[in-house]
Amino acid sequence: GESVGLHLPTLSVQEGDNSIINCAYSNSASDYFIWYKQESGKGPQFIIDIRSNMDKRQGQRVTVLLNKTVKHLSLQIAATQPGDSAVYFCAEKRLTGGYNKLIFGAGTRLAVHP
Amino acid sequence: DAGVIQSPRHEVTEMGQEVTLRCKPISGHNSLFWYRQTMMRGLELLIYFNNNVPIDDSGMPEDRFSAKMPNASFSTLKIQPSEPRDSAVYFCASSLSGPGNGYTFGSGTRLTVV
Repeated sequence: GESVGLHLPTLSVQEGDNSIINCAYSNSASDYFIWYKQESGKGPQFIIDIRSNMDKRQGQRVTVLLNKTVKHLSLQIAATQPGDSAVYFCAEKRLTGGYNKLIFGAGTRLAVHP
Repeated sequence: DAGVIQSPRHEVTEMGQEVTLRCKPISGHNSLFWYRQTMMRGLELLIYFNNNVPIDDSGMPEDRFSAKMPNASFSTLKIQPSEPRDSAVYFCASSLSGPGNGYTFGSGTRLTVV
């Protein structure tokens, strides 16, 4: 069936390095994608989003890239900090029955080492 | 803005007991979602409401689960009778309806059924 999934379950990086978290999706009709960050004991927190008519969008220290040709989404975090340690989810907003549903991928754990 | 408020934060109950989880969405948001998170299955959408009306409950596991939204500021998710396999973190999220709006999640309720 159609799904949103992640390539890597765990990513370890050194503090100060750049991090790249990847996500694959299979529903070519989806037109809106979101990255969420989930810290231990908390709910998912919105980081950045991108529409399918864009290839790139930048926020503060974060950049999301969308490659519709290969149905691939990535989140880049510049100068990774210990506070970035969390599980990151990509989510796909799918129009179903006239309403939008947010479908989450499996998640990638980012571990930042000093 | 207090965000999405869920209660209780933790719930431990015995198998067979009824469990009720509560959610107060962000004021002004007209869409509300219940998600369940487990290690095995990740974040699963259980049900969502638009303008207090259940739109899609296809994610509700079985008849033991029910959800209500009697007004725009309150929703409940009930499990009766509860089973050990229902143990998970249950999240409530709210948003403004529309494709370009992200969801705001509550802190979740960690349910343990023994």
